[in-house]
Amino acid sequence: QQQVKQSPQSLIVQKGGIPIINCAYENTAFDYFPWYQQFPGKGPALLIAIRPDVSEKKEGRFTISFNKSAKQFSLHIMDSQPGDSATYFCAASRNTYGNKLVFGAGTILRVKS
Amino acid sequence: EAGVTQFPSHSVIEKGQTVTLRCDPISGHDNLYWYRRVMGKEIKFLLHFVKESKQDESGMPNNRFLAERTGGTYSTLKVQPAELEDSGVYFCASSRRGSNSPLHFGNGTRLTVT
Repeated sequence: QQQVKQSPQSLIVQKGGIPIINCAYENTAFDYFPWYQQFPGKGPALLIAIRPDVSEKKEGRFTISFNKSAKQFSLHIMDSQPGDSATYFCAASRNTYGNKLVFGAGTILRVKS
Repeated sequence: EAGVTQFPSHSVIEKGQTVTLRCDPISGHDNLYWYRRVMGKEIKFLLHFVKESKQDESGMPNNRFLAERTGGTYSTLKVQPAELEDSGVYFCASSRRGSNSPLHFGNGTRLTVT
């Protein structure tokens, strides 16, 4: 049973576009929602994270939007660049379980120049 | 600081053979995790060490998998005997003490069982 559902599987946008990746979760006990970025041959790297007490968080060109009632959160990449081409994973965890992350299946993003 | 190091980066073995994966966490990180990604699917939790103690091994698929972290430093994950469905990328991650401390992942070991 997949606890975090991520969509789309893949996404192609033009340079400067705003790709949006969506995730939905089931467990209302989750209280930490990070996004990871992975380049080929590398491990996932933490990009940005949010907790359910806020509805939005921005770090540079990356924004997380969080909707607690809908149990959904999304990643927006402003002014996307070819260097943003990577696989993106959303994840969730419960504070009491430390960093036992439950991941989505990943989204392969390609930004065309 | 040096990152999380995993060895080997790739391993190809035959069904029934044994493989041992190694992970060196970031120095000072008490938490060490193993995760696995099977082809195109989500990254799944395998187990969690706090120093040398297994905190949570609920994600270990079966008793063919054995993880150790002697002395609370590096960790090994042994698969014996390997099966075809064990193929995937095995990631190690480490973090400092404290809940929700950022996880730092290694580059993974790509295991192919033929």
